[in-house]
Amino acid sequence: EDQVTQSPEALRLQEGESSSLNCSYTVSGLRGLFWYRQDPGKGPEFLFTLYSAGEEKEKERLKATLTKKESFLHITAPKPEDSATYLCAVFYSGGGADGLTFGKGTHLIIQP
Amino acid sequence: NAGVMQNPRHLVRRRGQEARLRCSPMKGHSHVYWYRQLPEEGLKFMVYLQKENIIDESGMPKERFSAEFPKEGPSILRIQQVVRGDSAAYFCASSPNTGAGEQYFGPGTRLTVT
Repeated sequence: EDQVTQSPEALRLQEGESSSLNCSYTVSGLRGLFWYRQDPGKGPEFLFTLYSAGEEKEKERLKATLTKKESFLHITAPKPEDSATYLCAVFYSGGGADGLTFGKGTHLIIQP
Repeated sequence: NAGVMQNPRHLVRRRGQEARLRCSPMKGHSHVYWYRQLPEEGLKFMVYLQKENIIDESGMPKERFSAEFPKEGPSILRIQQVVRGDSAAYFCASSPNTGAGEQYFGPGTRLTVT
């Protein structure tokens, strides 16, 4: 069973059409949830860290929220340059690993 | 302020050869992480190092793979006797803190085994 599940796998929007990406997690002892953006052929680019339920962070057209079971990345009035794969990752205690556990990502396409 | 640097960006090896991947962390960062991204798969944690110490290698295959982060110089991920299944993108990340701090990723090394 995947510990971090992202949905949808792919999303195609028109420019200006707002939407949300979902990241659900099943780990216990969450110590941080991270959102990254990855462009083709490049490394993940850090966007946000959320540490506790109820926390929200914003950056330009992006807003990330966190509950006890999931996180949402809200994209408001997106532009074509927002097209990318968005990755969610968690860091948790008791998992036996000191690295991040990633979901498989949501591939977002914004059409002009 | 340079970001995480990795080289080479692309590496082609024949089956049975050795691959050496290098990572220089961001200035001021002493924590290095290596991840592997297979086609159609998510990023998978391999190993976490601090200077001269391997802290967690729970994600590293038991054979043929090794990593180091010497006192001087870059971190090295070494794959001996490569096989086709090792073809992937290998990313290095660095962090100024351990635990739940942000990790900043390099551009990756794309390894192709022929």
